[in-house]
Amino acid sequence: DQQVKQNSPSLSVQEGRISILNCDYTNSMFDYFLWYKKYPAEGPTFLISISSIKDKNEDGRFTVFLNKSAKHLSLHIVPSQPGDSAVYFCAATFSGGSNYKLTFGKGTLLTVNP
Amino acid sequence: DAGITQSPRHKVTETGTPVTLRCHQTENHRYMYWYRQDPGHGLRLIHYSYGVKDTDKGEVSDGYSVSRSKTEDFLLTLESATSSQTSVYFCAIRKGGQRGETDTQYFGPGTRLTVL
Repeated sequence: DQQVKQNSPSLSVQEGRISILNCDYTNSMFDYFLWYKKYPAEGPTFLISISSIKDKNEDGRFTVFLNKSAKHLSLHIVPSQPGDSAVYFCAATFSGGSNYKLTFGKGTLLTVNP
Repeated sequence: DAGITQSPRHKVTETGTPVTLRCHQTENHRYMYWYRQDPGHGLRLIHYSYGVKDTDKGEVSDGYSVSRSKTEDFLLTLESATSSQTSVYFCAIRKGGQRGETDTQYFGPGTRLTVL
């Protein structure tokens, strides 16, 4: 059973426009969420996170929104740049657990066209 | 960058042979993880460690074993490699979570393993 779902395998946007990547989760125990970016032949790199006590967190061009009632989060990239082209993974965890494990979605390939 | 290296970076082996992948960290972090990444599956946790000689299974642990005899090294062993274990393997460490630091995992560069 997939607890973290990224239902769009790919997304294509024009440079300068907004990119919106979506993620849904089913486990109501999850209370901490993260986004990672991955380029080919490299390890994933941390982008931004959000705790369930917040509904928004912003870092430069990246903003993550959390809707707890809908069990949905989204990553907004504004403005999108060609260097943002990568696979984006959503991840979730329960911070109150005895061990810190992340559950990842399958990823969304973002392509930003010049 | 959390000082994580993985070796080897690429390996081709034959079905039935044992394979050991090494993850090395330089910052003395307690938690270490092994993931595999496959098309259509994202990142899946194989095993993790929460201290020296303290390990536990992840969601796809069958066919894999791990060992951690010292803080800086976390080894992943495929006792008898199969073609279904052809994948890219990533090691990660947990960093942060205290004194206001963002709690997250940092990943190594990966090992591409091909089992023929």
